[in-house]
Parts: sequence; structure tokens; C-alpha cells
Amino acid sequence: AQKITQTQPGMFVQEKEAVTLDCTYDTSDQSYGLFWYKQPSSGEMIFLIYQGSYDEQNATEGRYSLNFQKARKSANLVISASQLGDSAMYFCAMREPQTSGSRLTFGEGTQLTVNP
Amino acid sequence: GAVVSQHPSRVICKSGTSVKIECRSLDFQATTMFWYRQFPKQSLMLMATSNEGSKATYEQGVEKDKFLINHASLTLSTLTVTSAHPEDSSFYICSARGPGVSYNSPLHFGNGTRLTVT
Repeated sequence: AQKITQTQPGMFVQEKEAVTLDCTYDTSDQSYGLFWYKQPSSGEMIFLIYQGSYDEQNATEGRYSLNFQKARKSANLVISASQLGDSAMYFCAMREPQTSGSRLTFGEGTQLTVNP
Repeated sequence: GAVVSQHPSRVICKSGTSVKIECRSLDFQATTMFWYRQFPKQSLMLMATSNEGSKATYEQGVEKDKFLINHASLTLSTLTVTSAHPEDSSFYICSARGPGVSYNSPLHFGNGTRLTVT
């Protein structure tokens, strides 16, 4: 089974609107971490936001917030007030310290396009 | 913040030659480095994990004799693609973590190397 599933290969959003990128995960670890990275066409991986499995509050970082629903094993990224520069590939990733140490396992990614 | 430098950013080589990619941690000691491979429009696939001073641990299906990883110091890991073939053309990206870093710390990535084998 896939550890991380991103079901949206591509998403389009109008500039200044909000967009939600979906991510579901599968783990048997009690303690785990969820990360979102942005990858522009230049290739670098930019860390956006983190959510820990024991965090009771949804993580927020500026225009990024994470809609964490532990029972449903989902960790959707919400980008508010989209900007043209947000156009990029977005990856959800998970760390399972008990089973996989410090490595990150990535989902397939979602290509976000922000339209002017 | 932690900085990881990867070099070269792009390389074109002829089939049958070897290519070395360097990954350096500039402001922290990287006890563990990860090497990922990414095909166009696809996810990052972990190739191997290297710990300073010990042999790398390769993921299933990754040929260790073809993708040589050396992590001889706390600031440098290298990936050598030996006898490269066109199917090895890909985007290779490294990431690093330091000692004592908690599990909720993000990995810091290099900017990647785009390898084209002709």
C-alpha cells in the first residue's frame, strides 16, 4: 500500500483565491511527522510546513496551513491568497521514526498552477 | 538555517563514463545524508541512506555497484554514477540531517543535479 497518497496530479487556482492540496497517509507508527515541500521548476525542495502526530492544533505558517485529520489520516495543505509564484509541484511527505528512522517518504506530488 | 550545497547542478556525460555528484552541508555536521532520484513529473524516490564513516544502506532495487556512495566526512557525501547509461538520466537530489535532530525537523535539501547521459 502507498504510504503517502496525493490524488490530485494537477490543480488550478485563480490568483488570490485559496486552494487545498490533498494528502492521505498510512502508518502503524503512533508517533510520526508530516511535511509539505514545494518544488519549483528549478528543482530545489523548499520546506513549507510540519505537523506532528501528537500536535492538537493544525499547523500554520504564513499563508500555509495544514488541515490535519488524524482519524482520517489526512493532512491537506491549504494555501490562502494564492500568488503566481505559488505555481510549483507540491509534495507531502512522512517520517516514521519507529519504522524508518529519519528518512522521508514522499507522495506523488500535485502540480499547482496559479492563473492570473 | 541549515544549508546544503550540491554540485554540479547540471551535467552531461557520454554513455559509459562515470559522474560524481557532491553534497555538502555548509553550516552543520551531517551525520546522515539521503540520496533521492526523481524522474520528470514524478516523486522523489529514496536511493540510499549514508551515515558518516559507514557503508551506505541502499533501497531495494538500487544497484550499489552502480551508484557508489561515500560519506567520508561529516560535511561531504558523494554519489558516483558508474558506467552511466541513458536510462540513468534523471534528477538526483541529496538531503542531510545533523546529530541529535528531533524527528520533527525537516530535511534540508541540496538544489539537485540534473544528469543527462548521451
